[in-house]
Amino acid sequence: GAVVSQHPSRVICKSGTSVKIECRSLDFQATTMFWYRQFPKKSLMLMATSNEGSKATYEQGVEKDKFLINHASLTLSTLTVTSAHPEDSSFYICSAPRPDLSGGYTFGSGTRLTVV
Amino acid sequence: KQEVTQIPAALSVPEGENLVLNCSFTDSAIYNLQWFRQDPGKGLTSLLLIQSSQREQTSGRLNASLDKSSGRSTLYIAASQPGDSATYLCAVMEYGNKLVFGAGTILRVKS
Repeated sequence: GAVVSQHPSRVICKSGTSVKIECRSLDFQATTMFWYRQFPKKSLMLMATSNEGSKATYEQGVEKDKFLINHASLTLSTLTVTSAHPEDSSFYICSAPRPDLSGGYTFGSGTRLTVV
Repeated sequence: KQEVTQIPAALSVPEGENLVLNCSFTDSAIYNLQWFRQDPGKGLTSLLLIQSSQREQTSGRLNASLDKSSGRSTLYIAASQPGDSATYLCAVMEYGNKLVFGAGTILRVKS
């Protein structure tokens, strides 16, 4: 139980284009979704927190206009990287609180974004 | 600002060996501490969650301890297997349900 499906797993895009990453909660309702970015051999860095039906909360230093987050339903949250640049290349992971374990989290499988 | 440090950064051991991974955090005001496993290019799999009021949790060959006052946790893996090879991440949950992660320990178990 408590599965989050993340797509795509890998994407290569050209500089200046936009890429959308989707995270779906398959067997539960995720009112909150966390979006992380991970650099090689580094910690996961929280980018933003999305809440169903309201605006996302961004961490300090994260550009809201570049990383657009939408959480329009209880089972879907999306992250759109707009006007992508090579420095946006990274591993992006979503996470939602588990309904079956207090304080626990379930993670998507991640998206490897490469901007060329 | 909470900081989580994991030592060692990488570890290579022969199959069958018992091993300990270390995690330390700077602010003891946490709700829980969690250990995750991450395989290359994949998401995170939850291994153990220790609530702030607990001192340890066990699951199979894994045992995690928490000393909140000293800001330390250890993950003990008994009788390691090649399939245990992965990156192990420690994270603390603080106010606002935010997880703060360490950089991880890359474990390689040689057969």
